[in-house]
Amino acid sequence: GDSVTQMEGPVTLSEEAFLTINCTYTATGYPSLFWYVQYPGEGLQLLLKATKADDKGSNKGFEATYRKETTSFHLEKGSVQVSDSAVYFCALAIQGAQKLVFGQGTRLTINP
Amino acid sequence: GAVVSQHPSRVICKSGTSVKIECRSLDFQATTMFWYRQFPKQSLMLMATSNEGSKATYEQGVEKDKFLINHASLTLSTLTVTSAHPEDSSFYICSARGQQGHNQPQHFGDGTRLSIL
Repeated sequence: GDSVTQMEGPVTLSEEAFLTINCTYTATGYPSLFWYVQYPGEGLQLLLKATKADDKGSNKGFEATYRKETTSFHLEKGSVQVSDSAVYFCALAIQGAQKLVFGQGTRLTINP
Repeated sequence: GAVVSQHPSRVICKSGTSVKIECRSLDFQATTMFWYRQFPKQSLMLMATSNEGSKATYEQGVEKDKFLINHASLTLSTLTVTSAHPEDSSFYICSARGQQGHNQPQHFGDGTRLSIL
């Protein structure tokens, strides 16, 4: 079945460090890919998305490129801030299906 | 941007009480709404999908008589946890999507933390 596998957390970095959170997927069709962020005690917010191969989603300094050849959608940021501390979820949606399939989430903590 | 409001944000009640959670799309018409449950430090588990005016589609293992879902309008869906017990304590999150199409993102509410004593 369709699935998403994320880099295991928690991840702890210092402020201004480079961030990569790995995400790979398995899908029977051609999925759209998403990154969502969840701040403590809140719901999920869409961070970025990509709908086809080689698309790059970007927002708030975060980027992720849809790599069909490696079935990956890794999240990157060049210089993280304390305010980026949150849980990050990679997700996919298959054409024709309504629901999202989430990865297990990666907890990120940025220390000043 | 698209906004989804979920209410209440926190509920504490006695065992046996029924609890209703509302999910509203504030600036768009939500043809489809989703209800998730999230256990501490875990991912979201989809409970059910509801389309406006239709019966909800429940995921395997989710008791439809326990978790009643109503999606009577394009801007409102409700989840009622009937006769709640301590094992129902969890973080419940709704999301909404305005159009058909896998590339349309879901917009999430801020969640409801339910604590059953």
